[in-house]
Amino acid sequence: QVQLQQSGTELVKPASSVKISCKASGYTFTSNYMHWIRQQPGNGLEWIGWIYPGNGNTKYNQKFDGKATLTADKSSSTAYMQLSSLTSEDSAVYFCARSSRIIRGSLDYWGQGVMVTVSS
Amino acid sequence: DIVLTQSPALAVSLGQRATISCRASQSVSTSSYNLMHWYQQKPGEQPKLLIYDASNLASGIPVRFSGSGSGTDFTLTINPVQADDIATYYCQQSRELPLTFGSGTKLEIK
Repeated sequence: QVQLQQSGTELVKPASSVKISCKASGYTFTSNYMHWIRQQPGNGLEWIGWIYPGNGNTKYNQKFDGKATLTADKSSSTAYMQLSSLTSEDSAVYFCARSSRIIRGSLDYWGQGVMVTVSS
Repeated sequence: DIVLTQSPALAVSLGQRATISCRASQSVSTSSYNLMHWYQQKPGEQPKLLIYDASNLASGIPVRFSGSGSGTDFTLTINPVQADDIATYYCQQSRELPLTFGSGTKLEIK
């Protein structure tokens, strides 16, 4: 069965960076886009970007350009998102989610989310 | 960006029908697909896909959930509503990047 297992809660200081992971299993990692989504406390869902692990291509929401960097390791079927220059605004839960098909698919499987808290 | 508009909350009685709407600022349909999807999110959990391409039931989702619509107007229906359905429901479009989500409709019991 498809599973996306994300890394644990992060407490980080302002101006620092954090890298969170999303380990995929139960399907061919290189065949589906992996998306990242942010949910700030009490708020809705914002799309950050996607990575295609088959070739490493990425696409970002302009809002997160320069904030998020997406990578993938085919050998371990793991996707990563690094967030840089963190501020309190970046405190949120971050989800990875698999796209159901190559073209314009829904997000059919989600990781459990990683809570990132930015505080001094 | 395509803006998706949802009502903030809906109160229904158990066993009744709930109709949740989502309006897009421009068409999210192509000649092949209606690219609107619906998710359920309970507190402290990740979103779960309910309906994809406007009207297709995702795997393992009960048949009391259904979706309809095309172009700019879409509806998620839950009939009959059960206690376990208390959650926030989000629509999401994949017609254009950036992917966008509605602000969510919180389903409450009357």
